[in-house]
Amino acid sequence: AQSVTQLDSHVSVSEGTPVLLRCNYSSSYSPSLFWYVQHPNKGLQLLLKYTSAATLVKGINGFEAEFKKSETSFHLTKPSAHMSDAAEYFCVVSASNQFYFGTGTSLTVIP
Amino acid sequence: KAGVTQTPRYLIKTRGQQVTLSCSPISGHRSVSWYQQTPGQGLQFLFEYFSETQRNKGNFPGRFSGRQFSNSRSEMNVSTLELGDSALYLCASSLPSGSLYNEQFFGPGTRLTVL
Repeated sequence: AQSVTQLDSHVSVSEGTPVLLRCNYSSSYSPSLFWYVQHPNKGLQLLLKYTSAATLVKGINGFEAEFKKSETSFHLTKPSAHMSDAAEYFCVVSASNQFYFGTGTSLTVIP
Repeated sequence: KAGVTQTPRYLIKTRGQQVTLSCSPISGHRSVSWYQQTPGQGLQFLFEYFSETQRNKGNFPGRFSGRQFSNSRSEMNVSTLELGDSALYLCASSLPSGSLYNEQFFGPGTRLTVL
């Protein structure tokens, strides 16, 4: 069975400080993992994806994520938060032609 | 390439009515998935279509149905609307399964309000 757990429903950081959004997954197969971002009243945009190549994945807007099989984690990081990063972030595992979404983490960036 | 388009963007209906939402995938994408997004339940998978066939289905009542046309465009229909059907309905398209790059590309959504 596939599932995704986003460990924090809300994260608040100051502008210019690092961002860490945590995600653990469960998958019966070698998973494909994704992070998506959703800005208010917008659709979802792909930030980055892991598909069994390099374990450190770089995405758009300075985000990156590291796949750790031993910890079944796929945490999203960014060295320095920007005001425009304020949004909802979703960790997703793909298996059997389905996407399994986490419950989302709302990121607030304080000026 | 044009992105995933959804029409209409906003809809207001009353209880008991039915509604049809439309989704045009990215050119060349043959898989279309539908999701319901609400504040309480988050993103929930409705169904996925591939080559005009429903390949996967989420845990929604039979009032929710869909179809896909030969040009990969898809529609979803909700009959006998209930207040709880108020949500953002997202459509996503992707390349067929088996691709290493099977990420889904999402449309902007249709905001359905049921009064």
